Amino acid sequence: DAGITQSPRYKITETGRQVTLMCHQTWSHSYMFWYRQDLGHGLRLIYYSAAADITDKGEVPDGYVVSRSKTENFPLTLESATRSQTSVYFCASRGTLYVEQYFGPGTRLTVT
Amino acid sequence: DQQVKQNSPSLSVQEGRISILNCDYTNSMFDYFLWYKKYPAEGPTFLISISSIKDKNEDGRFTVFLNKSAKHLSLHIVPSQPGDSAVYFCAASMTTDSWGKLQFGAGTQVVVTP
Repeated sequence: DAGITQSPRYKITETGRQVTLMCHQTWSHSYMFWYRQDLGHGLRLIYYSAAADITDKGEVPDGYVVSRSKTENFPLTLESATRSQTSVYFCASRGTLYVEQYFGPGTRLTVT
Repeated sequence: DQQVKQNSPSLSVQEGRISILNCDYTNSMFDYFLWYKKYPAEGPTFLISISSIKDKNEDGRFTVFLNKSAKHLSLHIVPSQPGDSAVYFCAASMTTDSWGKLQFGAGTQVVVTP
């Protein structure tokens, strides 16, 4: 199926563990983004990328690492998970010509 | 400091009536605005947008109004339908930002009652 997918959809992990959330898009969009959604805060930008190997920090990058070796994939890694990283994570992408971003279905992460 | 604010966390409206969602922004550099709709357990979906060169944009039952002097935009849904029950996010962008980053508001939960 074309579009943007995220895996896993649900994840429970323990404090201190490393976790990687996957994002894959089939549109060949150059730009990709990671957000977290928390009550009262809406969607906050964690990291973004303009192309393979070009990434930058967003509003809330601490504790997260990204990589982008291929245009279609943009994994987000929590190096040592903390309870404050319990959230719903959304990946998004956009093409070059438009501002609109298209979102994946999200990953609900719980850190115990 | 939130640059995009949706001050109403929730809105209840009867089916067939108008829903009005409001959004305020503080950064005068924002010049492109978007509304997203989100159902539970799904990602946000793009609904409608407006450039700062316009003050109104319509798409079917959805109309967005922009008041630049007041740094305010609103989304009107007429008539409201049960399927419109969702969380609506307002977002803002600067077209000078080549990355196209979006700044989101906290969202408004809309419930359409029969």
